[in-house]
Amino acid sequence: AQSVAQPEDQVNVAEGNPLTVKCTYSVSGNPYLFWYVQYPNRGLQFLLKYITGDNLVKGSYGFEAEFNKSQTSFHLKKPSALVSDSALYFCAVRDIRNTGGFKTIFGAGTRLFVKA
Amino acid sequence: GAVVSQHPSWVICKSGTSVKIECRSLDFQATTMFWYRQFPKQSLMLMATSNEGSKATYEQGVEKDKFLINHASLTLSTLTVTSAHPEDSSFYICSASDRGNTEAFFGQGTRLTVV
Repeated sequence: AQSVAQPEDQVNVAEGNPLTVKCTYSVSGNPYLFWYVQYPNRGLQFLLKYITGDNLVKGSYGFEAEFNKSQTSFHLKKPSALVSDSALYFCAVRDIRNTGGFKTIFGAGTRLFVKA
Repeated sequence: GAVVSQHPSWVICKSGTSVKIECRSLDFQATTMFWYRQFPKQSLMLMATSNEGSKATYEQGVEKDKFLINHASLTLSTLTVTSAHPEDSSFYICSASDRGNTEAFFGQGTRLTVV
């Protein structure tokens, strides 16, 4: 079964410092991996995705993620955090097999706090 | 990216009544739509998958008769919460995709409060 793990419930970082939000995955076949951000009482905002190609994926708002096949990881990173980055971040995997129903499965989420 | 519109954004209803939430794909044909539920400070849990013109496939533990899903056209799916109770209060999010899409596109969510 496809699954995603976000080992950290919360990540705290000071403004201006680099941030990393961790994600590991378990899939059958090639992974379609995503990162989304959610602000309070709002829907999901797409940040970036990995389908194929370069392992380093650049996305919205200065975020990037590195696909590491050997470690089955897809950590989200940003070189310099902003207070406005404080939100709930979800890693997700899409099951592209017909038998998987093309579902998008989400990790538990990681709350990011950026202190001024 | 493609746009998915969800309506209403929020709704308050009385216990025992039914509430319908709409999910529309505005600029593409959605062969598949997905309905998620999110409790406060928790992840999105998939409730069901609906393919246009066929019955929805529900995830284990989701009551089919309580959460009625209709996907009658390639641009519209509806979720009806029947005989709503306070424990049904939650944030409901839909997503839509065409099989050619590498990703599914998400609506902005509906906050349901049952009083």
